[in-house]
Amino acid sequence: AQSVTQLDSQVPVFEEAPVELRCNYSSSVSVYLFWYVQYPNQGLQLLLKYLSGSTLVKGINGFEAEFNKSQTSFHLRKPSVHISDTAEYFCAVYFGNEKLTFGTGTRLTIIP
Amino acid sequence: KAGVTQTPRYLIKTRGQQVTLSCSPISGHRSVSWYQQTPGQGLQFLFEYFSETQRNKGNFPGRFSGRQFSNSRSEMNVSTLELGDSALYLCASSLLPGLASEQYFGPGTRLTVT
Repeated sequence: AQSVTQLDSQVPVFEEAPVELRCNYSSSVSVYLFWYVQYPNQGLQLLLKYLSGSTLVKGINGFEAEFNKSQTSFHLRKPSVHISDTAEYFCAVYFGNEKLTFGTGTRLTIIP
Repeated sequence: KAGVTQTPRYLIKTRGQQVTLSCSPISGHRSVSWYQQTPGQGLQFLFEYFSETQRNKGNFPGRFSGRQFSNSRSEMNVSTLELGDSALYLCASSLLPGLASEQYFGPGTRLTVT
């Protein structure tokens, strides 16, 4: 079955430290990959996406992600986090059926 | 440009009742998708409408239905509410369906079933 896994439900990080949020998917077909952020009491906002081309994708707010086909991963990274990055982050995948499948989310908490 | 609007923002209903949620897409957007977000199941795709036609449907029972009007506004209806229907219902709009254009999400309607 096609699925999206975000193993870390919560990630605490000190302010100005780097962070990596992990996302893995299971599929043998071509996929399209997304990261969304959800701030408290708000909807989702697109951070970045991979459709094709360079496997390193840069997004908004200083985030980037790398598509690794062999490891079926699309981890999100930021070299230095800020208090305002506190939010929930969702990895999402199109498996070719045009239905966006989301991971269970990772709550990022920034420690001052 | 105004964002995606969802009404109402909060709703409390009793088991067995039915509910209708509304979504107004960004002006010019013709595709609307609906998602259910719960702590246990996360975000799950409900359905997608484009030009008043349902293009895609997730794995939800027939109690969940939707429609889209000629002005692209969309409604979703849940009949015979169950406690498990308590969730945040998110609507997203895009210019075109599928991968063709980015989805913009509304703030959601939080439904509580008692």
